[in-house]
Amino acid sequence: RKEVEQDPGPFNVPEGATVAFNCTYSNSASQSFFWYRQDCRKEPKLLMSVYSSGNEDGRFTAQLNRASQYISLLIRDSKLSDSATYLCVVNLPGSQGNLIFGKGTKLSVKP
Amino acid sequence: ETGVTQTPRHLVMGMTNKKSLKCEQHLGHNAMYWYKQSAKKPLELMFVYSLEERVENNSVPSRFSPECPNSSHLFLHLHTLQPEDSALYLCASSVKSDGRPYEQYFGPGTRLTVT
Repeated sequence: RKEVEQDPGPFNVPEGATVAFNCTYSNSASQSFFWYRQDCRKEPKLLMSVYSSGNEDGRFTAQLNRASQYISLLIRDSKLSDSATYLCVVNLPGSQGNLIFGKGTKLSVKP
Repeated sequence: ETGVTQTPRHLVMGMTNKKSLKCEQHLGHNAMYWYKQSAKKPLELMFVYSLEERVENNSVPSRFSPECPNSSHLFLHLHTLQPEDSALYLCASSVKSDGRPYEQYFGPGTRLTVT
């Protein structure tokens, strides 16, 4: 099983749609979880950390399910500018805080 | 945003050349990282420096040689590279304390082409 697994997509959605991505991770001892977004030919940028209780930042909601070892990201009222690749990131237990990146899920929001 | 800067942004080099990539962070962080991103692959961690000491080398070939002279600067020295080393090389920095994994902030990357 891959350490961090994501559906590569692409997810093609119209403006205003709600879209959700899931990500599974293999190491049950992982403690820290993040979503990053990466635009084409650019660097990854932190979108949000994922907390145990779930957290929301504007149109974005992140959830963590430790029992099933998955993380989700929900985007409401999609904008054209949301088009990007979304990377699921999990810490590597036992390392000195190293992070493991998923391959990413590509989102394309159409007018 | 100028939190983490990298130079050069683009580099084309022959297999016999020697070049260096530079990274500088202005965030007051104490850990710095080199990653490689190839097409259709996830980011691969290459090196980790914590408080200027290399704490991890993920089986990276010796043709890649990192250097961290202080907590704000990180270099990646390149020599006798192969065409398959062509990729986006990303530098990142973070706070590092008691092994807790803090979020990392990335520079814009150097797009390297080896001919």
